[in-house]
Amino acid sequence: TQLLEQSPQFLSIQEGENLTVYCNSSSVFSSLQWYRQEPGEGPVLLVTVVTGGEVKKLKRLTFQFGDARKDSSLHITAAQPGDTGLYLCAGAGNNDMRFGAGTRLTVKP
Amino acid sequence: DAGVTQSPTHLIKTRGQQVTLRCSPKSGHDTVSWYQQALGQGPQFIFQYYEEEERQRGNFPDRFSGHQFPNYSSELNVNALLLGDSALYLCASSSLTDRGGLELFFGSGTQLSVL
Repeated sequence: TQLLEQSPQFLSIQEGENLTVYCNSSSVFSSLQWYRQEPGEGPVLLVTVVTGGEVKKLKRLTFQFGDARKDSSLHITAAQPGDTGLYLCAGAGNNDMRFGAGTRLTVKP
Repeated sequence: DAGVTQSPTHLIKTRGQQVTLRCSPKSGHDTVSWYQQALGQGPQFIFQYYEEEERQRGNFPDRFSGHQFPNYSSELNVNALLLGDSALYLCASSSLTDRGGLELFFGSGTQLSVL
């Protein structure tokens, strides 16, 4: 059972389009992270958000932590084929990180 | 500076066999966590080791056990393999003194196939 629900599960878009993916939970987290995973590799940390309402930007990626610290979103502007991958959110549990099932993004040239 | 290294990269076993997977953490890290990632799913937390002891455990049966050595490297052992144990096994290292241990660095994983 996934504690964190991610949507959509799959997303296929054209290069240059914008997109938003979501991470929702009924639990409150002290922090939440976003990772990207490419085939045959382990997840790579993109960002950690800690404060409710916090917004962080990483080039074309914008991350937001919900005010109640139960949800988060990732917005990508002008997606590129290099953005293709599995985007995972993870919430800080008790001495560990718990992951959602991910959103598999495909950006077509 | 070597990152997290895992071995082997691929492994094929049959039901009932036992398997040992190995992980060397990133230099300077003292904590190792193990995750199981089934096809199409996110990583599921198995357990975490710190100071050679199991610090936290996820919802996995006792067939899954581990060990951490004085040099911080770690092993994951799975006994009596089942078909459902087929998955990518990921090792992640972190440091409790750095961001409270929440910044995980993952290896590339061991792909285990149980036939």
